[in-house]
Order: sequence, then C-alpha cells, then structure tokens
Amino acid sequence: KAGVTQTPRYLIKTRGQQVTLSCSPISGHRSVSWYQQTPGQGLQFLFEYFSETQRNKGNFPGRFSGRQFSNSRSEMNVSTLELGDSALYLCASSLEQGIGEQFFGPGTRLTVL
Amino acid sequence: GENVEQHPSTLSVQEGDSAVIKCTYSDSASNYFPWYKQELGKGPQLIIDIRSNVGEKKDQRIAVTLNKTAKHFSLHITETQPEDSAVYFCAASRSGSARQLTFGSGTQLTVLP
Repeated sequence: KAGVTQTPRYLIKTRGQQVTLSCSPISGHRSVSWYQQTPGQGLQFLFEYFSETQRNKGNFPGRFSGRQFSNSRSEMNVSTLELGDSALYLCASSLEQGIGEQFFGPGTRLTVL
Repeated sequence: GENVEQHPSTLSVQEGDSAVIKCTYSDSASNYFPWYKQELGKGPQLIIDIRSNVGEKKDQRIAVTLNKTAKHFSLHITETQPEDSAVYFCAASRSGSARQLTFGSGTQLTVLP
C-alpha cells in the first residue's frame, strides 16, 4: 500500500507570496493532519481534517488554512508568506478519527526568501 | 495545553549498547503515546506506541514503558545498530483531540560503530 505523498517536495517563495501544498493520504485513510517542523519550535500541530471538515486547529495565524476533498486529499495554504514560515510541512494520515496511528509523509520543504 | 519534555537532546552510544530516551507530559488526560524516528530528509516514522491502559510494550529491540502516576514514558532500544542513528521524537495526545499530537523536542541518537 502506498504511503502518504506530498507535493511538491521543495518550494522557494518570496515574502508576501502565497503557497499551496498538497497531501494524498494512504488509501482508505480519512483523517489528515498537518504539522510544521522548524529547528527552533520543533513539530507543531497546524490542523486536522476529517471527512472534509476541519476538526481541530493549532495555534497558528489565520494566514494558514487548509481544506480536504471528498477523496480525502488535502491542501494547505499559507498566504502573505513571512521569513519565519520557512519550515518542513508534514502531512499525516490516519484511518479514522480518535486515537490511532498517524503516518507521516516525507514533507514539503518551504523556503521563504 | 499539553507540554511534553524530552531528554536527552543528544545521545551517543556504542554499537551493541542500549539507549534510553525519556519524556514527561503535563496533561493527565493524555492517553496515547507514540514514538517516531526521523531520518535525514524523511518524515517521522512511527516505531512504537503505547496507550494509557498498558504499562509496557515491546517490539523486538524496542520497548516503551509508561508511568501514568509520574506522567513519564521512556523508549528503550537494545543492541543498538548504526542504522538506529536518527532523531527520535516522543509525543502525547488525548481522546477527543484526535490527531493533535504534542511532540517532544527530539533526541539525536548516534550509534558509534
């Protein structure tokens, strides 16, 4: 069974631009979560989607948003990029809501210049 | 909210020796504790997890122990091998929060041949 895929793997943007990242969960998984990983802040939860609905949101500004499609694929968007948004953005999928294993993709490395 | 502290931040062991990584959590309602291994350029990989109704779990050379009273849990790797070298993260979550994992700051494990 294919794992979680994320596209693109690398992105370079400039301040003020916006970016959209994509995540395809493991087949059959309906829950998708997004995390930001930086050297200074570590791994931080952004939001979770289940059945096209945002179920939970971390402590990030409104510039960070996401959505989930009927096929469980998810996208996250960051508007008005700041230098501090440079990070590895990780997507994790799981079979269903509730406690259970989360499986991470390889991430998208975003660099903001 | 939940806070997870992880120690040590770096750990070097000789091949064949054991490695122990410890984490403490603050939210007594947390009841799911996974451990992830992250290799360079890859996303975190789930290696073992434990739920609050279990005190210990083992999978070949890897074991995790949980002390709910003291609110700490530990990862034990026996007979370490060079391929165990990676960054290890502990995490915690609670029922109802679905996929909102709170991560520790990570431990860079180096296994010296």
